[in-house]
Amino acid sequence: DAKTTQPTSMDCAEGRAANLPCNHSTISGNEYVYWYRQIHSQGPQYIIHGLKNNETNEMASLIITEDRKSSTLILPHATLRDTAVYYCIVRPANFGNEKLTFGTGTRLTIIP
Amino acid sequence: DAGVTQSPTHLIKTRGQQVTLRCSPKSGHDTVSWYQQALGQGPQFIFQYYEEEERQRGNFPDRFSGHQFPNYSSELNVNALLLGDSALYLCASSLFQAAGIDGYTFGSGTRLTVV
Repeated sequence: DAKTTQPTSMDCAEGRAANLPCNHSTISGNEYVYWYRQIHSQGPQYIIHGLKNNETNEMASLIITEDRKSSTLILPHATLRDTAVYYCIVRPANFGNEKLTFGTGTRLTIIP
Repeated sequence: DAGVTQSPTHLIKTRGQQVTLRCSPKSGHDTVSWYQQALGQGPQFIFQYYEEEERQRGNFPDRFSGHQFPNYSSELNVNALLLGDSALYLCASSLFQAAGIDGYTFGSGTRLTVV
């Protein structure tokens, strides 16, 4: 079972920041928070991941609360191409390939 | 730089038949994982291959089997197809020792319809 809880759907105006929340209250100390997104008819795409510090890359920012029980993915200037299902995943980052356990994700719709 | 390539893109089969799906990993990757995605659901892990061996398996029956070749490409086989096997089948490749850092690269999937 997925160890995360996300809203089913969200809307965001084009050009505004999209903030996608995720609850992971049972996260363990060695588990990372990963975000993927899936645009219609494509496979999931890696966005970002973090352990306890906030992270930023060219796609997004990840804010993790101090107690690590929740996080927020931020798309700073949403475009229509950001319309997708966003998955928040908790996963150990040990060596070897840990499987990804997906929930149902958040369907984000960017409104023109 | 070629990403993950899956074939075919679409497939229609009849109940009881067998199907083989194929995956070529991203250049430089050595591990292939397969996922099943039913309509409206998140992908579900089927199994993972590394060094031509099945390393992990999800909660799928033995009708689902796989293979990895020396060039790291992989096949997913499903026997005795059921209507419930209709789904998008995704292949993901990664580098075994670096999966926690680089994440996975997914293909666009094979849409299987069982009638």
